[in-house]
Amino acid sequence: DAGITQSPRYKITETGRQVTLMCHQTWSHSYMFWYRQDLGHGLRLIYYSAAADITDKGEVPDGYVVSRSKTENFPLTLESATRSQTSVYFCASSERQGMNQPQHFGDGTRLSIL
Amino acid sequence: QKEVEQDPGPLSVPEGAIVSLNCTYSNSAFQYFMWYRQYSRKGPELLMYTYSSGNKEDGRFTAQVDKSSKYISLFIRDSQPSDSATYLCATPHIQGAQKLVFGQGTRLTINP
Repeated sequence: DAGITQSPRYKITETGRQVTLMCHQTWSHSYMFWYRQDLGHGLRLIYYSAAADITDKGEVPDGYVVSRSKTENFPLTLESATRSQTSVYFCASSERQGMNQPQHFGDGTRLSIL
Repeated sequence: QKEVEQDPGPLSVPEGAIVSLNCTYSNSAFQYFMWYRQYSRKGPELLMYTYSSGNKEDGRFTAQVDKSSKYISLFIRDSQPSDSATYLCATPHIQGAQKLVFGQGTRLTINP
């Protein structure tokens, strides 16, 4: 099915481990985003990408790494997970730049770090 | 101070009531405002957006912007149980239109 898919949907890991969250979209949208959603903070932008091989920091990038070698994929890596990174992570995409361009979200990955 | 503030609720109303959801923002340069709806364990989806001041209506939903008081509202008429969700206001960041700034979200429950 066309759309944006995230995997895994749920993940439990331990502090210090590396974990990668996957995001795949079938629309060939130029822009892709990673957000985290926490109680009391809403959605906060971690990183975004305007095209393949172009990425930039958002509001809360520390502790995260992204890459975008192909337009359709935008993985997010926690190189050494910490408890404060326990959250729900959402990937999103939008077709092009513009203030009225909607962002289309995946259904999220619930990440717990013990 | 957060750039976009939203009362997290929760808000619980009976079916058929008119619902008012509100956000305030700090930067008068913000011009586009969006409302996203998020069902439980799902990603947000765009409900509607408005530009500058005034009202925009879409079915039972009306979005309103008051730039003088930096206040945005979403009204839901004839509310239905299927409207139960978290509603998030958002605006494109002035330093990059693709970077959305979200409010905390208001959890709404419509009771049959």
